[in-house]
Amino acid sequence: GENVEQHPSTLSVQEGDSAVIKCTYSDSASNYFPWYKQELGKGPQLIIDIRSNVGEKKDQRIAVTLNKTAKHFSLHITETQPEDSAVYFCAASIREGGSEKLVFGKGTKLTVNP
Amino acid sequence: AAGVIQSPRHLIKEKRETATLKCYPIPRHDTVYWYQQGPGQDPQFLISFYEKMQSDKGSIPDRFSAQQFSDYHSELNMSSLELGDSALYFCASSLRTTAYNEQFFGPGTRLTVL
Repeated sequence: GENVEQHPSTLSVQEGDSAVIKCTYSDSASNYFPWYKQELGKGPQLIIDIRSNVGEKKDQRIAVTLNKTAKHFSLHITETQPEDSAVYFCAASIREGGSEKLVFGKGTKLTVNP
Repeated sequence: AAGVIQSPRHLIKEKRETATLKCYPIPRHDTVYWYQQGPGQDPQFLISFYEKMQSDKGSIPDRFSAQQFSDYHSELNMSSLELGDSALYFCASSLRTTAYNEQFFGPGTRLTVL
């Protein structure tokens, strides 16, 4: 089955700096890669996703890149703000045979210091 | 915009008791997923339903069962509760007719087993 590795597990940056979180996946059939932000006591919030037919996607301060050959994808947050502090999860999904579960990475706890 | 609704938000049970968690998907969404998240861990897929039929099964214990009803809401039934069942339980919903598997999560039910 699919296995998703996520690094780093913790990341501390100064406000205004950039943050990068990297994930690798094992199943080349995976074709959808969402990123979730989870604040304490809340459910995961979908912040951006990328499909296998796209190499890069950007939404304001957040961007995601995908390298299908290397089977890795990354989340880039620019101009970080204290409210970006949260746990970020990457995930991978395959749409085939009715099995569309998300397989998550272990998460990255991002702390943005004012 | 309407989001996924879960009830109850908090639940405290004794060992060997039963619990029922409810999930109301985003209107028009036809697929429901259940995930379990232990403290400091990533969400783990339990089970999913599409059009009231079980779609996929993950690491769901035999003591747990779930179903999706005609109005698309879903219930997770948990019996013979164990201390290790204490966790956050998330429901997510999606619309299968879309090209990719965008899953939107609810706020979760925090289950504590004493």
